Amino acid sequence: NAGVTQTPKFRVLKTGQSMTLLCAQDMNHEYMYWYRQDPGMGLRLIHYSVGEGTTAKGEVPDGYNVSRLKKQNFLLGLESAAPSQTSVYFCASSRIRGYEQYFGPGTRLTVT
Amino acid sequence: GESVGLHLPTLSVQEGDNSIINCAYSNSASDYFIWYKQESGKGPQFIIDIRSNMDKRQGQRVTVLLNKTVKHLSLQIAATQPGDSAVYFCAENRKKGGADGLTFGKGTHLIIQP
Repeated sequence: NAGVTQTPKFRVLKTGQSMTLLCAQDMNHEYMYWYRQDPGMGLRLIHYSVGEGTTAKGEVPDGYNVSRLKKQNFLLGLESAAPSQTSVYFCASSRIRGYEQYFGPGTRLTVT
Repeated sequence: GESVGLHLPTLSVQEGDNSIINCAYSNSASDYFIWYKQESGKGPQFIIDIRSNMDKRQGQRVTVLLNKTVKHLSLQIAATQPGDSAVYFCAENRKKGGADGLTFGKGTHLIIQP
């Protein structure tokens, strides 16, 4: 099993550009999450999903949108990137709500 | 401020010694706690977890202790090895602003001295 995978691994955007980060999991987990990690801030929850076709806002949702059209995939979109969105983004999934989460390797995004 | 935090941002120990990483939490309603290890350039990796109805749980070379009276969590690593060098996060499961998921501390950087 690959576990949780994320694409791309690195990306540089100019302010105002858009992009989509893809997360895929092969563990048949219902719950999926997107976090951002910034120096000195720890991991902060952006959006999450409790099942296929569902999404919900987390702690820092502004400037991001998500979709969960298929159970195994969770997409994070930036419609108009801003320098404040420079961060490392992690996707995670879990079988049980809010309990042990499995993380992907991360996407390092730089917005100039 | 952060309800899940760590007392020391950096901990340096000699190879072979035991390491203790501490974590404080403020939400007495939290019912589940978890420790993650994050190596440079990688995603967090599960180490061990504990539910609030337990005081102690042991894994391979790791032990987690939960003191609900003082809202304190610790991770003990026995006979630390160079591969243990990483940032360690504690996290708790609680609702925050209606969101669901784990709330993470900022992390402690464990450095193993040869």
